[in-house]
Amino acid sequence: GENVEQHPSTLSVQEGDSAVIKCTYSDSASNYFPWYKQELGKRPQLIIDIRSNVGEKKDQRIAVTLNKTAKHFSLHITETQPEDSAVYFCAVPYSGGYQKVTFGIGTKLQVIP
Amino acid sequence: GAGVSQSPRYKVAKRGQDVALRCDPISGHVSLFWYQQALGQGPEFLTYFQNEAQLDKSGLPSDRFFAERPEGSVSTLKIQRTQQEDSAVYLCASSQGSSYNSPLHFGNGTRLTVT
Repeated sequence: GENVEQHPSTLSVQEGDSAVIKCTYSDSASNYFPWYKQELGKRPQLIIDIRSNVGEKKDQRIAVTLNKTAKHFSLHITETQPEDSAVYFCAVPYSGGYQKVTFGIGTKLQVIP
Repeated sequence: GAGVSQSPRYKVAKRGQDVALRCDPISGHVSLFWYQQALGQGPEFLTYFQNEAQLDKSGLPSDRFFAERPEGSVSTLKIQRTQQEDSAVYLCASSQGSSYNSPLHFGNGTRLTVT
C-alpha cells in the first residue's frame, strides 16, 4: 500500500509568518495530492489539491508545490492568522483508480497572535 | 444543501457490546468511505462503497467490523463485541464521483468510547 510520511508533527509560528508542511509518498503512479484541514472537534475539509501535471498551485494565502521526481509535496501558508490554527493532513489516493486515500499523520499548526 | 451527516455524535459502549454507526452521505454521491481516526492520528481507511457495492474492505481491522450500504445511500458501520482498542472517531466521507480526484466530503464523525 501507499506509504505517506508527513512532517513536522507540530509547528508553532508567529502570526504573519509562513508555515510549510511536507509530505513524501512511495507510489510513483500517484498523481493527485489533496490537503485537508481539521479544526478541533470538526471534520476534515479539503483546502487545496494539486494534480501531477502542474508543479505549483496557489489559492490566496495557501499554495501547494509538487516534486514528482522526489515524490514529495508541500503545503505553504503565508501571512498566517490565528484561524489557521488546526491540524493539517496530506493525503495520497490509491493509484488503482478510486479514492481510497492514505492520510499523513497530521501536522498540528499553532499560530501565536 | 446538507452535508454528510453521522449519528450518533458520541457513543459510549461497555466492552463486549455491539454498536451501530450511521452515515447519511450527500444525496447522489456515488462513493462512500469509512475511516477510523485515533486520537492524534490521521484517518485510517476502513472500507469503500461504490453505490451499494462494497469494493474494498481491506482496512477493516477484524471480522468484528461490518459495513453495509444496501440501497446505495445510507451506510451503517457495525462493530460487534467492542474492545477498548476500538475507541476512536469514526469518520464517514462521500464523493460525487468514483475517480481518484473526486474530493471527499467528511461528516463530523462518531466518537466511540469503549469502557
